[in-house]
Amino acid sequence: ETGVTQSPTHLIKTRGQQVTLRCSSQSGHNTVSWYQQALGQGPQFIFQYYREEENGRGNFPPRFSGLQFPNYSSELNVNALELDDSALYLCASSLKGPGETQYFGPGTRLLVL
Amino acid sequence: KQEVTQIPAALSVPEGENLVLNCSFTDSAIYNLQWFRQDPGKGLTSLLLIQSSQREQTSGRLNASLDKSSGRSTLYIAASQPGDSATYLCAVGFGNEKLTFGTGTRLTIIP
Repeated sequence: ETGVTQSPTHLIKTRGQQVTLRCSSQSGHNTVSWYQQALGQGPQFIFQYYREEENGRGNFPPRFSGLQFPNYSSELNVNALELDDSALYLCASSLKGPGETQYFGPGTRLLVL
Repeated sequence: KQEVTQIPAALSVPEGENLVLNCSFTDSAIYNLQWFRQDPGKGLTSLLLIQSSQREQTSGRLNASLDKSSGRSTLYIAASQPGDSATYLCAVGFGNEKLTFGTGTRLTIIP
C-alpha cells in the first residue's frame, strides 16, 4: 500500500463525453504526476503538478487537463473522449526534487465506447 | 528523445531458478532508474530505485544494477517463486521527476 488512492476504479464512457478522474496523494507529498497506460504498453507521462501549478507536460492534447488542490489531491479531466483514450490512468505522488521516489496509486480503468 | 527498451517481452521459467530481466535506455543523462512490478489490472509497486551515482541496489531476493555509460540496467531475481509472476517495468527519471517507461517484461514462474 502506497497511501495513494484513486477513484473511481472503473469507468465506462461514450465517445465525445467528458470524464474526471481523482487522485489523493500520499500524506506530505506536494507533487503529483499522471500517466496513461494503454493495454500492453508502459505508462506514458501526461503531466505533473507541483503546488497547484502545471510543472511539465507530455505529448498529450489540450483536452487533457488537470488540477491540484491545496490539500495536494488532484484531478485529471479529459474532454471530447475518443476510443483511443481507453486505458489505465495512473497517478503518482512524490516530494518535489530530483531523485525522489514516485508512489503510484492503483489506477482508474477507463473504457470509451 | 529518451527511449527505454525491455527484452524479452515475456519470459517463463521454472520455480526456483534465478533469472535476469534487462532494460536499456538511449540517453545516459538520467537521474535515477526505478524497477516496478505490476500485477494484472493493477497499479505499480516500486521494487528498487537506483540513483545515477549508484551501481546497484538490493532488496531481499532482488538485485538491480545500473551501468549509465552503456545505458543498461538488470533486475536479478533469485530463487524465483510463483508469486513473482507479474509484469516488470523499468523507468528512467530525470531532474523533473518525469518517468519514461519501457513496455515491460511479463514474467511467469512455473510451479
